[in-house]
Amino acid sequence: EPEVTQTPSHQVTQMGQEVILRCVPISNHLYFYWYRQILGQKVEFLVSFYNNEISEKSEIFDDQFSVERPDGSNFTLKIRSTKLEDSAMYFCASNQRESSYEQYFGPGTRLTVT
Amino acid sequence: KQEVTQIPAALSVPEGENLVLNCSFTDSAIYNLQWFRQDPGKGLTSLLLIQSSQREQTSGRLNASLDKSSGRSTLYIAASQPGDSATYLCAVAGYSTLTFGKGTMLLVSP
Repeated sequence: EPEVTQTPSHQVTQMGQEVILRCVPISNHLYFYWYRQILGQKVEFLVSFYNNEISEKSEIFDDQFSVERPDGSNFTLKIRSTKLEDSAMYFCASNQRESSYEQYFGPGTRLTVT
Repeated sequence: KQEVTQIPAALSVPEGENLVLNCSFTDSAIYNLQWFRQDPGKGLTSLLLIQSSQREQTSGRLNASLDKSSGRSTLYIAASQPGDSATYLCAVAGYSTLTFGKGTMLLVSP
């Protein structure tokens, strides 16, 4: 069964460093998402992406964040200058269409900023 | 802004019991509602998706209902097993986002 994959599973970085989290969505999906979950808190929406453009973004998704689909398979989330409060689990998701279609989630990348 | 609340926050039951997890949301203009399972430190496993036009969905021992007008959903787990121990998350879909509740942490003891 097709699945969303994410790499790395765990990333440790120092404050102020840039990180890139990678995702490979399900191959015939067209809509891509990033969510994050700070330890002990709710899963929060960051951004949705379709047709090489951001469809929607939350207040969390400020200028420090960017997303890209650099080729036909990968979908990346970049954090330019990490802060301690960026430490969280980051989930990638995809679906065939927006709205009524089920979102499929990857296993997550745990980002630890020290 | 959509808000999703899950009650109870935690639940501990003996094996074999039937149980109900509750989810409420403030804006009834949703496209669908998904229930997920999350094991500690792990990702999200989708359990059931209910479209906004549907009233319920079933998968094995799980049954989820949706009352969109009142902003409520329930997840019914029949004959609970220790392997059901996990956090259960409810998420409602806007046009391109999911809004999650904080979850119900379920512990099923043998």
